[in-house]
Amino acid sequence: ETGVTQTPRHLVMGMTNKKSLKCEQHLGHNAMYWYKQSAKKPLELMFVYNFKEQTENNSVPSRFSPECPNSSHLFLHLHTLQPEDSALYLCASSQTGNTEAFFGQGTRLTVV
Amino acid sequence: QKEVEQDPGPLSVPEGAIVSLNCTYSNSAFQYFMWYRQYSRKGPELLMYTYSSGNKEDGRFTAQVDKSSKYISLFIRDSQPSDSATYLCATYSSASKIIFGSGTRLSIRP
Repeated sequence: ETGVTQTPRHLVMGMTNKKSLKCEQHLGHNAMYWYKQSAKKPLELMFVYNFKEQTENNSVPSRFSPECPNSSHLFLHLHTLQPEDSALYLCASSQTGNTEAFFGQGTRLTVV
Repeated sequence: QKEVEQDPGPLSVPEGAIVSLNCTYSNSAFQYFMWYRQYSRKGPELLMYTYSSGNKEDGRFTAQVDKSSKYISLFIRDSQPSDSATYLCATYSSASKIIFGSGTRLSIRP
């Protein structure tokens, strides 16, 4: 247990569905991230939040919509996804300026 | 050019062998370099980090950075089956932005 919890662990959704991924960290960190991990590709940084403010949007399509209501919680809202969006979505947290990021176990998303 | 490049493997070695995992990076301004380990169905976890050039040792693991050639390495001595995982190199490029390589899948055969 790393202190970063992601739910659900697995999600299958149709292309017209709307779903949300949830991340919660119990480490007192002030930075939270969403990463996408596809087979044989580097971990792709999607969004960064520092002190609840979005500081990085790595050219992510608008069908992915992040929300950070407080420093402990991060959501990723999904709508009208494509099959190529199927991947492992990882949430991480850290202290701003600290190089160590703590990851959750990820949500395995399959878009059908 | 990718900011961090890593041979994806897979790499399979017998138990007890010395393992060498390598990455290259493109930006000479990078100063912090990390190695993460990811077991199947788990998120990555930080294994080691180094600052600037040089070596850092932790038990059977040694991280090495050569800034002149923009080359980072992880050596595992006396490899064990429990070391079987995907190893990701990473660098810290700016405030709260960590850039990862694609990961090398390592398998240690008993």
